[in-house]
Amino acid sequence: QKEVEQNSGPLSVPEGAIASLNCTYSDRGSQSFFWYRQYSGKSPELIMSIYSNGDKEDGRFTAQLNKASQYVSLLIRDSQPSDSATYLCAVKGIYGGSQGNLIFGKGTKLSVKP
Amino acid sequence: ETGVTQTPRHLVMGMTNKKSLKCEQHLGHNAMYWYKQSAKKPLELMFVYSLEERVENNSVPSRFSPECPNSSHLFLHLHTLQPEDSALYLCASSQDSREWNIQYFGAGTRLSVL
Repeated sequence: QKEVEQNSGPLSVPEGAIASLNCTYSDRGSQSFFWYRQYSGKSPELIMSIYSNGDKEDGRFTAQLNKASQYVSLLIRDSQPSDSATYLCAVKGIYGGSQGNLIFGKGTKLSVKP
Repeated sequence: ETGVTQTPRHLVMGMTNKKSLKCEQHLGHNAMYWYKQSAKKPLELMFVYSLEERVENNSVPSRFSPECPNSSHLFLHLHTLQPEDSALYLCASSQDSREWNIQYFGAGTRLSVL
C-alpha cells in the first residue's frame, strides 16, 4: 500500500513567520512530488512541483526533497493570513496504470494569525 | 479559473436516482481524471483516461460509471448510490499521464446522497 503521510494540524503560525509543512512517502520509486493548496470549499491548486533532491524556490515558497529519507517539505516565508488553507502533498511513482498515479496525503491545515 | 469546468457544482440525489457529473477542460490536455474527496480522508483516485482510453480503474464500485467521449469531456454516471458516496468529486486534467505532468483541478461537484 503506497502511502503519503502528513500531519493533519492545524499548524498555527503568526503573520510574518516561516511555516514548515512536512510529508513522508512510502514508495521508494516515486519520481515526482507536488504541493497543492486547497482553500475551504475550493479545488486544489498547484503551489510547487519538485523532481530532484535539494531545494526549489519560487517566491515565498521553497520545496525541499530528500529521496533517501523519503521526505518532502514546503516552507512558506513571511506567512500571510491569505496562506491559511489546507496543503496537500502529492507523490507520483512508477506504479499504477501505465505511468503511475498521483497519491495524496490527507493534508495539513495551516492557520496564519494576524 | 484553471480551465477545467465541472457541472453541476452541487447535487442532491436519492439512492434510486440516476445522475451524471460533467467535466470539460479547455487546456488541450490528453489525460483526465476523477477523484473523490471525503472528509478526513485523502483525495482518492477513481478513474484515469489517457487519449480517451481508460487506463486506470481503482476498484471503484460499478454504481460509478465513467465516460470519455473525447479528450475534452469526461462524465461520471451515477446510479443507486449510497449515503457514504456523499463527497466532493473532483475532475482533473494533465497534458498526458506521465509522471512529471501537473494535474489541474476543476472546482468540484459537492454530492449529497439522501
